[in-house]
Formats: sequence, C-alpha cells, structure tokens
Amino acid sequence: EPEVTQTPSHQVTQMGQEVILRCVPISNHLYFYWYRQILGQKVEFLVSFYNNEISEKSEIFDDQFSVERPDGSNFTLKIRSTKLEDSAMYFCASKGWDRNQPQHFGDGTRLSIL
Amino acid sequence: DQQVKQNSPSLSVQEGRISILNCDYTNSMFDYFLWYKKYPAEGPTFLISISSIKDKNEDGRFTVFLNKSAKHLSLHIVPSQPGDSAVYFCAASDPNTDKLIFGTGTRLQVFP
Repeated sequence: EPEVTQTPSHQVTQMGQEVILRCVPISNHLYFYWYRQILGQKVEFLVSFYNNEISEKSEIFDDQFSVERPDGSNFTLKIRSTKLEDSAMYFCASKGWDRNQPQHFGDGTRLSIL
Repeated sequence: DQQVKQNSPSLSVQEGRISILNCDYTNSMFDYFLWYKKYPAEGPTFLISISSIKDKNEDGRFTVFLNKSAKHLSLHIVPSQPGDSAVYFCAASDPNTDKLIFGTGTRLQVFP
C-alpha cells in the first residue's frame, strides 16, 4: 500500500540553525500538508499546499517557516532560524483530489532544538 | 479554542468486548469527520471517516456514528483486540480550508 515517507526520523539541531524536513507524499496525491505535535499537546495544522502554492497557513507558520515542492516527488518544510519552542514531532500528510478523502500521514520527524 | 474535544483521555476494555470512543465538536459547519489510530513513534493512521450526509459508516470491526444535532460522533470497535491498543484521534475537516482539527486523543488499552 502506498505511504507517505518522511526523513529524517529524528533531527537534533542547535537553536538558531536552519533545518529542512523532507517528505515524499503518495505519488498521485495533489494536496500536501504539514502538522506538528508538541509533546503532550494536540496535533496542530501548520500549512497546506496545492498546485505549487500555499493554500492555507496557521498563525504558527510565520516568516521563519517555508514549504517547497522542489521536484515531482518531494515536499519540504524549512525552518530558517530554529527556536527552542520548535521542538516537536512534525508530520507530513497528503490527500487525493476529492475533498472527502482522508489525509494520509507519514511517521513524522522528531525535531529537537538544543 | 477547542473545536474538537475528546473528553476521555483513556479507556480500558477487555478483549472481545465493545470499545466506544467519543468525540464532540462545536462548529456546525464541519461536514467530514475522521478517526485516526496512532502507535508510539508512528504517524496517525487513517481508520474510518464519515460525511455529514450519513449518520453511520461501517468498516469491518469499526463503526462510526454521527449525531449532527448533538454535534457528537463515536467510534465503536467490536470485538476489541489487544492489537487495537493505541491512541485514537478524532478529527474534523474544516470545510473552508480542508485542514484537519484534531481532538486530544483517547488512549485505548485492550487487555486479555
């Protein structure tokens, strides 16, 4: 069964450094998302991406964050200058063309900021 | 702003019995709901969904019920199995943005 894959599984970074989290969505999906889950809290939406542009972003997704689909398969989340509070699990998700289809999630990247 | 709530943080059920997980929402505009299961160190795995034009959707041992007037949905697992032990998240799809709004999750433990 096709799945969303994320790399790396764990990233440890010094505060202030840039980090890029990578995702390979399911191949025929058109909608792409990033979510995060801070330890002990809810899974929360960051950004959605469709047709090579951001379609929606949350208030968390400030100027330090960016997303890109550099080729036909990868979908990346970049944090330019990481802060301690960026430490969380980051999940990528993708969805097919129909609105009422489920989003499928990867296993996440655990980001630890020191 | 808790638009999706799961008021039971945990549930313990004996193998073979029914597990019932509950979820409430506040926004009557929500029209598509999903349940995800999550094991430690894995991402949420899609389980079952329901559109607001239905009040029930069934897939094998899993059934989701939707009560629109009460803004309540529930997931029934019958019979429960030890492998069902996981955290279960209820989510609603925002009709304007397509983003998922998650509940806080319910940890289900199925014991032999």
